[in-house]
Amino acid sequence: KQEVTQIPAALSVPEGENLVLNCSFTDSAIYNLQWFRQDPGKGLTSLLLIQSSQREQTSGRLNASLDKSSGRSTLYIAASQPGDSATYLCGAGANNLFFGTGTRLTVIP
Amino acid sequence: EAGVTQFPSHSVIEKGQTVTLRCDPISGHDNLYWYRRVMGKEIKFLLHFVKESKQDESGMPNNRFLAERTGGTYSTLKVQPAELEDSGVYFCASTQTSWYTSEQFFGPGTRLTVL
Repeated sequence: KQEVTQIPAALSVPEGENLVLNCSFTDSAIYNLQWFRQDPGKGLTSLLLIQSSQREQTSGRLNASLDKSSGRSTLYIAASQPGDSATYLCGAGANNLFFGTGTRLTVIP
Repeated sequence: EAGVTQFPSHSVIEKGQTVTLRCDPISGHDNLYWYRRVMGKEIKFLLHFVKESKQDESGMPNNRFLAERTGGTYSTLKVQPAELEDSGVYFCASTQTSWYTSEQFFGPGTRLTVL
C-alpha cells in the first residue's frame, strides 16, 4: 500500500528566502505526482503535475522534481512571499492519489 | 471555465440521519473522484468514476456509503445512516482524459459534522 510522507510538517521562513519541501513515497509504481496548495477552509489548488516519465516541472517561482527510483519529490519555492503561506500537499499514485499530511508554510514579512 | 463545485459547503446532522453530498465536475471531465479527510489525518481516496461507471470503489469505508453518477455528469455521495466517525471534509476531483496522465482538479469540499 502506498504511503506518502511530507517533511517538515511545518516551516516558517522570512520573506525572500528560497525553500524546499520534501515528499517521499513507498511504492515507485506511480503514474503521477502532483503538488497542491491548500489555504485554510479552501479546497486544493493544483500547482504542478509531474508524470512518471518526467523529472521536473516548473511554473513561475515553483520547481518540482521527481525521482521515482528513490521515491522522492521536492518542491522548490524561490524568493518566497507572504502570499505563499499555505499548506502544501503532495499526491502520488497510479490511479487515485495517495496524500501526505502536508507541510504548513508560513512566510514572515 | 467553471471549476469543480460541491454542495453543500457545510452540513451538520445528527447520528443516524442521512446526508447527500453533490459534486459537479468540470464540464467534459469523464473521470470523477471522491476523497475524504477526517480530522488530523491525510486525504484518502474513496472511489473513482469513469463517466457513469464505478472504476474503483476500494476506498469506500462500508456499505453506509453510496455513490452515484447517473448520466455521467454530476455525482452524489449518500451516507445512510451517518455515524460520528463519518465527520470530515469530503472532496471531489475531476480529470479530463486518461486518468493516469491527467491533472486532478479539486472542489472546495463539503465539511460534514455528525453530532
